[in-house]
Amino acid sequence: ETGVTQSPTHLIKTRGQQVTLRCSSQSGHNTVSWYQQALGQGPQFIFQYYREEENGRGNFPPRFSGLQFPNYSSELNVNALELDDSALYLCASSLVPNRGLNEQYFGPGTRLTVT
Amino acid sequence: AQSVSQHNHHVILSEAASLELGCNYSYGGTVNLFWYVQYPGQHLQLLLKYFSGDPLVKGIKGFEAEFIKSKFSFNLRKPSVQWSDTAEYFCAVIQVSAGNKLTFGGGTRVLVKP
Repeated sequence: ETGVTQSPTHLIKTRGQQVTLRCSSQSGHNTVSWYQQALGQGPQFIFQYYREEENGRGNFPPRFSGLQFPNYSSELNVNALELDDSALYLCASSLVPNRGLNEQYFGPGTRLTVT
Repeated sequence: AQSVSQHNHHVILSEAASLELGCNYSYGGTVNLFWYVQYPGQHLQLLLKYFSGDPLVKGIKGFEAEFIKSKFSFNLRKPSVQWSDTAEYFCAVIQVSAGNKLTFGGGTRVLVKP
């Protein structure tokens, strides 16, 4: 167990709907990264938050957005859901976004199914 | 953009056999390298990491990996596997010049037969 928690565990949504996924980082960690893992693939970086601001973004459209709160927990919001958004969404926390010189600790993920 | 290739999608072997999983990355600058493992029903866990120094790094559970800069490779090895090593293994890279994002390979599913 890493101390990173995510909710909900599973979620089923309909195409066009909006979804919010939540992540609580490990105690003492101030950086949260979000990844999308489609079935049979490796995780893909969505974005990272540090001190409540976006600190890097992968190749995902603007309908993927996020927030980080003063307690370093984070939300991932996806608008206008598409079938291809069905995936496992992983949250990872780390201490500082210091050029990789830190480990990212992953949560269990939220399995999103879009029908 | 950085990309990571893992050569084998599936590996099946018997207990006590040796394991080697290949990983190559595309960017030739300064990188940090990781191997993560995902056991059935569990979180992604860090097996080992390379930041600098000795290119042969040792991780948990008897795993080791060798960074060969000239080959852009970071292969994972274990001399003698156990049934409990059945899992999916992911190689990941941080391109230091591009921030703190991990770029993952597609993963290798390893099945160890008892």
